[in-house]
Amino acid sequence: AQSVSQHNHHVILSEAASLELGCNYSYGGTVNLFWYVQYPGQHLQLLLKYFSGDPLVKGIKGFEAEFIKSKFSFNLRKPSVQWSDTAEYFCAVNAGTGRRALTFGSGTRLQVQP
Amino acid sequence: DTGVSQDPRHKITKRGQNVTFRCDPISEHNRLYWYRQTLGQGPEFLTYFQNEAQLEKSRLLSDRFSAERPKGSFSTLEIQRTEQGDSAMYLCASSLVVPGYNEQFFGPGTRLTVL
Repeated sequence: AQSVSQHNHHVILSEAASLELGCNYSYGGTVNLFWYVQYPGQHLQLLLKYFSGDPLVKGIKGFEAEFIKSKFSFNLRKPSVQWSDTAEYFCAVNAGTGRRALTFGSGTRLQVQP
Repeated sequence: DTGVSQDPRHKITKRGQNVTFRCDPISEHNRLYWYRQTLGQGPEFLTYFQNEAQLEKSRLLSDRFSAERPKGSFSTLEIQRTEQGDSAMYLCASSLVVPGYNEQFFGPGTRLTVL
């Protein structure tokens, strides 16, 4: 069964610091990869996605992620965080075998201090 | 608002009672998913529909849980004889049927508390 690991459970950064959140998945075949964000009191929103092509994908609000197939990783990055980036971030995987369910990691809570 | 909507947003019930939640997907989306999220965890897949057909169910979906999507539009999730372990956020998501494309849009969730 596929699984997703997010090793950083809680990250605290100051504004303007750079961000990298780790995501590793376990599945050897074709995958679709996602990062979702949940701002306080709001529902899950898609930040970015990877289906195929360029392994460096750009999403909303200045976020990007790089798919490294050999490392089974899809880390999320942002060069300079803002206080408004305070949220919980979830990595998710969909195995490209016809199965439609997303498998989520346990999430990383990001707290940005002004 | 043309996003996914869920009703109610909060439900408090006593152990042993039945509860039913409703999800209205984005209108042109023909796939609908249910997930459950407990504190400190990511969402866990429960089941999904393509139009009115329920195509996959997780082993998390015990026989006390039933989901329907009778006309291929809205869906209901019923939990019978609720237990305290059912306390969680129940999330609904929808997506379009596009080959190789599976972006799911989530609703705000229904938070269930079983006393």
